[in-house]
Amino acid sequence: AQKVTQAQTEISVVEKEDVTLDCVYETRDTTYYLFWYKQPPSGELVFLIRRNSFDEQNEISGRYSWNFQKSTSSFNFTITASQVVDSAVYFCALSWVLNQAGTALIFGKGTTLSVSS
Amino acid sequence: DAGITQSPRYKITETGRQVTLMCHQTWSHSYMFWYRQDLGHGLRLIYYSAAADITDKGEVPDGYVVSRSKTENFPLTLESATRSQTSVYFCASSESSPHEQYFGPGTRLTVT
Repeated sequence: AQKVTQAQTEISVVEKEDVTLDCVYETRDTTYYLFWYKQPPSGELVFLIRRNSFDEQNEISGRYSWNFQKSTSSFNFTITASQVVDSAVYFCALSWVLNQAGTALIFGKGTTLSVSS
Repeated sequence: DAGITQSPRYKITETGRQVTLMCHQTWSHSYMFWYRQDLGHGLRLIYYSAAADITDKGEVPDGYVVSRSKTENFPLTLESATRSQTSVYFCASSESSPHEQYFGPGTRLTVT
Protein backbone atom coordinates (compact mmCIF):
# COMPACT_ATOMS: atom_id res chain seq x y z
CA ALA A 1 0.00 0.00 0.00
CA GLN A 2 1.06 3.58 -0.55
CA LYS A 3 2.24 5.46 2.47
CA VAL A 4 4.07 8.69 3.21
CA THR A 5 5.69 9.32 6.56
CA GLN A 6 6.80 12.71 7.78
CA ALA A 7 8.22 11.86 11.17
CA GLN A 8 8.88 15.46 12.19
CA THR A 9 5.63 16.95 13.39
CA GLU A 10 7.06 20.36 14.27
CA ILE A 11 10.39 22.06 13.77
CA SER A 12 11.44 25.42 15.16
CA VAL A 13 14.49 27.28 13.88
CA VAL A 14 15.90 30.77 14.01
CA GLU A 15 16.23 32.81 10.86
CA LYS A 16 19.24 31.98 8.67
CA GLU A 17 19.48 28.45 9.97
CA ASP A 18 19.31 25.61 7.46
CA VAL A 19 16.55 23.09 8.01
CA THR A 20 15.76 19.71 6.47
CA LEU A 21 12.29 18.23 6.35
CA ASP A 22 12.24 14.45 6.10
CA CYS A 23 9.93 12.38 3.93
CA VAL A 24 9.91 8.59 3.68
CA TYR A 25 7.56 6.77 1.38
CA GLU A 26 6.34 3.25 0.64
CA THR A 27 5.03 2.08 -2.69
CA ARG A 28 4.88 -1.06 -4.78
CA ASP A 29 4.75 0.90 -8.01
CA THR A 30 7.85 0.85 -10.18
CA THR A 31 6.97 4.23 -11.62
CA TYR A 32 5.79 6.87 -9.22
CA TYR A 33 5.98 10.56 -8.50
CA LEU A 34 6.78 12.53 -5.40
CA PHE A 35 5.66 16.02 -4.55
CA TRP A 36 6.14 18.73 -1.96
CA TYR A 37 3.49 21.29 -1.10
CA LYS A 38 3.61 24.28 1.20
CA GLN A 39 0.64 25.45 3.27
CA PRO A 40 1.29 28.90 4.75
CA PRO A 41 -0.82 30.27 7.62
CA SER A 42 -3.28 31.68 5.08
CA GLY A 43 -4.31 28.09 4.32
CA GLU A 44 -3.82 27.62 0.61
CA LEU A 45 -1.74 24.74 -0.73
CA VAL A 46 1.16 25.75 -2.92
CA PHE A 47 2.88 23.28 -5.22
CA LEU A 48 6.67 23.27 -4.84
CA ILE A 49 8.10 20.36 -6.79
CA ARG A 50 7.34 17.11 -8.60
CA ARG A 51 9.91 14.36 -8.99
CA ASN A 52 9.56 11.09 -10.92
CA SER A 53 11.07 7.82 -9.77
CA PHE A 54 13.50 7.66 -12.69
CA ASP A 55 15.24 10.90 -11.84
CA GLU A 56 17.42 10.79 -8.75
CA GLN A 57 19.21 14.02 -9.44
CA ASN A 58 19.00 16.54 -6.69
CA GLU A 59 17.03 19.66 -7.44
CA ILE A 60 17.85 23.18 -6.32
CA SER A 61 15.60 26.18 -6.63
CA GLY A 62 16.93 29.25 -4.90
CA ARG A 63 17.09 28.49 -1.18
CA TYR A 64 15.17 25.24 -1.65
CA SER A 65 16.75 21.90 -2.47
CA TRP A 66 15.45 18.37 -2.66
CA ASN A 67 17.31 15.12 -2.16
CA PHE A 68 15.69 12.02 -3.64
CA GLN A 69 17.20 8.67 -2.66
CA LYS A 70 15.48 5.62 -4.00
CA SER A 71 17.68 3.28 -1.96
CA THR A 72 16.24 4.67 1.27
CA SER A 73 12.81 5.63 -0.14
CA SER A 74 13.33 9.20 0.94
CA PHE A 75 12.62 12.57 -0.60
CA ASN A 76 13.95 15.18 1.78
CA PHE A 77 13.54 18.92 1.49
CA THR A 78 16.13 21.44 2.68
CA ILE A 79 15.64 25.15 3.15
CA THR A 80 18.91 27.06 3.29
CA ALA A 81 19.14 30.28 5.28
CA SER A 82 15.55 30.04 6.44
CA GLN A 83 13.36 33.14 6.63
CA VAL A 84 10.25 33.98 8.62
CA VAL A 85 8.21 33.71 5.42
CA ASP A 86 9.15 30.03 5.26
CA SER A 87 6.95 29.38 8.29
CA ALA A 88 4.29 26.97 7.06
CA VAL A 89 3.14 23.39 7.07
CA TYR A 90 4.98 21.35 4.46
CA PHE A 91 3.46 18.24 2.96
CA CYS A 92 5.18 15.47 1.10
CA ALA A 93 2.96 13.46 -1.25
CA LEU A 94 3.17 10.31 -3.37
CA SER A 95 1.30 9.49 -6.54
CA TRP A 96 -1.43 6.91 -6.26
CA VAL A 97 -2.76 5.22 -9.39
CA LEU A 98 -6.55 5.34 -9.45
CA ASN A 99 -8.12 2.40 -11.24
CA GLN A 100 -6.21 3.22 -14.43
CA ALA A 101 -7.98 6.56 -14.57
CA GLY A 102 -5.22 8.83 -13.45
CA THR A 103 -3.43 9.49 -10.23
CA ALA A 104 -4.28 11.19 -6.98
CA LEU A 105 -1.97 12.04 -4.14
CA ILE A 106 -1.31 10.31 -0.86
CA PHE A 107 -0.17 12.94 1.61
CA GLY A 108 1.98 12.71 4.66
CA LYS A 109 0.63 14.33 7.81
CA GLY A 110 2.81 17.37 7.33
CA THR A 111 5.64 19.09 9.16
CA THR A 112 4.99 22.46 10.75
CA LEU A 113 8.01 24.71 10.36
CA SER A 114 8.28 27.81 12.54
CA VAL A 115 11.03 30.29 11.76
CA SER A 116 11.60 33.02 14.31
CA SER A 117 13.50 36.24 13.81
CA ASP B 1 -7.15 34.47 -14.43
CA ALA B 2 -9.22 32.97 -11.60
CA GLY B 3 -7.68 29.49 -11.65
CA ILE B 4 -9.57 27.31 -9.24
CA THR B 5 -12.19 28.70 -6.89
CA GLN B 6 -14.32 27.24 -4.14
CA SER B 7 -17.52 28.46 -2.57
CA PRO B 8 -18.51 29.08 0.06
CA ARG B 9 -15.25 29.68 1.89
CA TYR B 10 -16.91 29.13 5.26
CA LYS B 11 -20.06 27.22 6.09
CA ILE B 12 -21.81 26.29 9.29
CA THR B 13 -24.61 23.75 9.03
CA GLU B 14 -26.60 21.50 11.30
CA THR B 15 -26.46 17.75 11.59
CA GLY B 16 -28.71 16.09 9.07
CA ARG B 17 -28.81 18.92 6.56
CA GLN B 18 -27.70 18.61 2.97
CA VAL B 19 -24.89 20.92 1.93
CA THR B 20 -23.10 21.39 -1.38
CA LEU B 21 -19.60 22.71 -1.78
CA MET B 22 -18.78 24.18 -5.15
CA CYS B 23 -15.57 23.98 -7.12
CA HIS B 24 -14.87 25.76 -10.40
CA GLN B 25 -11.69 25.81 -12.50
CA THR B 26 -10.92 27.92 -15.53
CA TRP B 27 -8.03 25.89 -16.94
CA SER B 28 -10.11 23.15 -18.61
CA HIS B 29 -8.16 20.57 -16.66
CA SER B 30 -9.41 17.04 -17.17
CA TYR B 31 -8.84 15.82 -13.64
CA MET B 32 -10.50 17.17 -10.53
CA PHE B 33 -10.31 16.01 -6.93
CA TRP B 34 -11.86 16.57 -3.55
CA TYR B 35 -9.76 16.20 -0.40
CA ARG B 36 -10.51 16.80 3.22
CA GLN B 37 -7.93 18.05 5.69
CA ASP B 38 -8.15 17.06 9.33
CA LEU B 39 -5.68 17.57 12.12
CA GLY B 40 -3.51 14.50 12.48
CA HIS B 41 -4.56 13.05 9.12
CA GLY B 42 -3.13 15.38 6.53
CA LEU B 43 -5.21 15.44 3.36
CA ARG B 44 -7.32 12.49 2.28
CA LEU B 45 -8.97 11.92 -1.05
CA ILE B 46 -12.77 11.82 -1.05
CA TYR B 47 -13.66 11.61 -4.74
CA TYR B 48 -12.05 12.32 -8.05
CA SER B 49 -13.04 12.78 -11.66
CA ALA B 50 -11.02 12.01 -14.77
CA ALA B 51 -13.38 13.90 -17.10
CA ALA B 52 -16.96 15.09 -17.33
CA ASP B 53 -19.32 12.30 -16.30
CA ILE B 54 -16.46 10.12 -15.01
CA THR B 55 -16.14 10.01 -11.24
CA ASP B 56 -14.91 7.50 -8.71
CA LYS B 57 -14.35 7.05 -5.00
CA GLY B 58 -11.20 7.86 -3.11
CA GLU B 59 -10.10 6.89 0.41
CA VAL B 60 -12.99 8.37 2.40
CA PRO B 61 -16.12 8.61 0.19
CA ASP B 62 -18.84 7.60 2.66
CA GLY B 63 -21.48 10.28 3.15
CA TYR B 64 -20.47 12.26 0.07
CA VAL B 65 -21.79 12.49 -3.46
CA VAL B 66 -20.23 14.15 -6.49
CA SER B 67 -21.21 14.97 -10.02
CA ARG B 68 -19.43 16.43 -12.98
CA SER B 69 -21.68 17.43 -15.84
CA LYS B 70 -19.28 20.12 -17.05
CA THR B 71 -15.49 19.98 -17.21
CA GLU B 72 -15.08 23.15 -15.15
CA ASN B 73 -17.34 22.28 -12.22
CA PHE B 74 -17.06 19.57 -9.62
CA PRO B 75 -19.54 20.01 -6.74
CA LEU B 76 -19.35 17.92 -3.58
CA THR B 77 -22.56 17.20 -1.69
CA LEU B 78 -22.93 16.00 1.86
CA GLU B 79 -26.32 14.33 1.75
CA SER B 80 -26.93 14.34 5.50
CA ALA B 81 -24.16 16.16 7.31
CA THR B 82 -22.61 14.64 10.43
CA ARG B 83 -20.26 16.18 12.98
CA SER B 84 -17.46 13.93 11.76
CA GLN B 85 -17.63 15.79 8.45
CA THR B 86 -16.47 18.99 10.10
CA SER B 87 -13.28 19.66 8.17
CA VAL B 88 -11.51 21.83 5.63
CA TYR B 89 -12.33 20.72 2.10
CA PHE B 90 -9.97 21.30 -0.78
CA CYS B 91 -10.74 20.96 -4.43
CA ALA B 92 -7.86 20.39 -6.85
CA SER B 93 -7.34 19.98 -10.55
CA SER B 94 -4.60 18.74 -12.83
CA GLU B 95 -4.07 18.94 -16.54
CA SER B 96 -3.31 15.27 -16.93
CA SER B 97 -2.01 12.39 -14.93
CA PRO B 98 0.34 12.41 -13.07
CA HIS B 99 0.93 16.10 -13.25
CA GLU B 100 0.96 18.26 -10.19
CA GLN B 101 -2.39 19.23 -8.76
CA TYR B 102 -3.41 22.81 -8.15
CA PHE B 103 -5.59 23.46 -5.17
CA GLY B 104 -8.43 25.84 -4.48
CA PRO B 105 -8.42 28.03 -1.36
CA GLY B 106 -10.47 25.55 0.66
CA THR B 107 -13.89 25.55 2.36
CA ARG B 108 -14.03 25.38 6.12
CA LEU B 109 -17.17 23.42 7.02
CA THR B 110 -18.51 23.15 10.55
CA VAL B 111 -21.35 20.76 11.32
CA THR B 112 -23.08 21.50 14.63
